[in-house]
Amino acid sequence: AQSVTQLGSHVSVSEGALVLLRCNYSSSVPPYLFWYVQYPNQGLQLLLKYTSAATLVKGINGFEAEFKKSETSFHLTKPSAHMSDAAEYFCAVSAANTGFQKLVFGTGTRLLVSP
Amino acid sequence: GAVVSQHPSRVICKSGTSVKIECRSLDFQATTMFWYRQFPKKSLMLMATSNEGSKATYEQGVEKDKFLINHASLTLSTLTVTSAHPEDSSFYICSARDPHVPQETQYFGPGTRLLVL
Repeated sequence: AQSVTQLGSHVSVSEGALVLLRCNYSSSVPPYLFWYVQYPNQGLQLLLKYTSAATLVKGINGFEAEFKKSETSFHLTKPSAHMSDAAEYFCAVSAANTGFQKLVFGTGTRLLVSP
Repeated sequence: GAVVSQHPSRVICKSGTSVKIECRSLDFQATTMFWYRQFPKKSLMLMATSNEGSKATYEQGVEKDKFLINHASLTLSTLTVTSAHPEDSSFYICSARDPHVPQETQYFGPGTRLLVL
């Protein structure tokens, strides 16, 4: 079985500051990992994904994440926050035993960006 | 990119009535669609997986007679909440898989907010 833990239900940063959203996973088999963003009353948009290739993954809107097996982590970062980054962010995991189709989501982290 | 739509975007209904939510893949044929439920300030929980032309596979704890899923074509899946009650109020999101892209890829719809009075 797979699970995801996102530390911090809310993260507040100033515009231009570093964004760090934490995600730790648990999986009995090698995982695929994802970060999605959700704007109010909208569905999910994929930011980036790790699929066992490069451990440092670059995504859209300047976000990137690094897969660290030893730490079972997949933290999301962005060097400089923009006001438009304010949204809910979800980390998710899937695994080969479900054909990588069944996504298990974390509880989400709301990113707040102040001027 | 691939687009998934949902209709309606929001619906209000009376307790005891049934509500149908549609999920459509607009520019690809989706062999598999997924239905999620999102409670306020909570994560998304997978309710069921539907494959075109076959019965949906429900996750543990999801009542299949309560949440009827029909995937009648390669571009349409429907979720019917039968005899809705206020506790069914939630944000329902579908996603779809295009068999021509990597299997881990899901395209999400914009969601349907259901309020049962």
